[in-house]
Amino acid sequence: DTGVSQNPRHKITKRGQNVTFRCDPISEHNRLYWYRQTLGQGPEFLTYFQNEAQLEKSRLLSDRFSAERPKGSFSTLEIQRTEQGDSAMYLCASSWTDGYTFGSGTRLTVV
Amino acid sequence: SQQGEEDPQALSIQEGENATMNCSYKTSINNLQWYRQNSGRGLVHLILIRSNEREKHSGRLRVTLDTSKKSSSLLITASRAADTASYFCATEPMEYGNKLVFGAGTILRVKS
Repeated sequence: DTGVSQNPRHKITKRGQNVTFRCDPISEHNRLYWYRQTLGQGPEFLTYFQNEAQLEKSRLLSDRFSAERPKGSFSTLEIQRTEQGDSAMYLCASSWTDGYTFGSGTRLTVV
Repeated sequence: SQQGEEDPQALSIQEGENATMNCSYKTSINNLQWYRQNSGRGLVHLILIRSNEREKHSGRLRVTLDTSKKSSSLLITASRAADTASYFCATEPMEYGNKLVFGAGTILRVKS
C-alpha cells in the first residue's frame, strides 16, 4: 500500500485522557500535514512539517496538542487532557509538489 | 478560518444529469483543488487547477477558474449514484505557501 496510512481509524476516550494518533505518509513525500474536520465542515489546518521540521502551527493547535515527525518519516499527533470539543476527524496528508494525498483519518470521540 | 464557500450546500439530482458546484474564495492563490469525501472517510483528490489556468478536464470532471472573480466551478457530467459524496474546494493561498484552506463543501446526492 503506497497511500497515507493513519492509525487508529477510530478512538473513543474519556474526557481528560491523553490520546496519540499516528500517520505514515507516502515515503517520497517530504511535507506532512495534520487537519481537523468537524461534522458538516471542511478540514481545518492544524500543523505542517517539512521533513522533520515543524514549520507552521495553527492557532487552533492549543498547548494541549503536540505533533512530532522524528527523522522526517511518520508523524504523531498527541492530545493531552482531551475535552469533548476535541471530538472530530483528524486527517493527515502528505505532499511532494502540488498534489496532496490524504489518509482515511482517525475519528476521535471524547465521552 | 475557512477561505472558501461552496454553493449550493446540498444538491440532489437524478442519475445521468449534470451536477455543478461553485466555490468562492477570498485571497490570491497559487492553485485551487477539488476533493471528494465519502461519508466518514478521507479525502480523495479530484483535480488541481493553477492560477494561470482557466479550465481543466479530467474524465467526467470539468473545472473552471476565474481569478478576477475569485471563483471556481466543478461540473460532473452524466452523474452516477457512485458520485454521491461531499465535494470540497481547497485553495493554496499565495500568502501562506504550502497548505490548503478548505470550504465547507457541497453534499451531492445522485438518485438512481
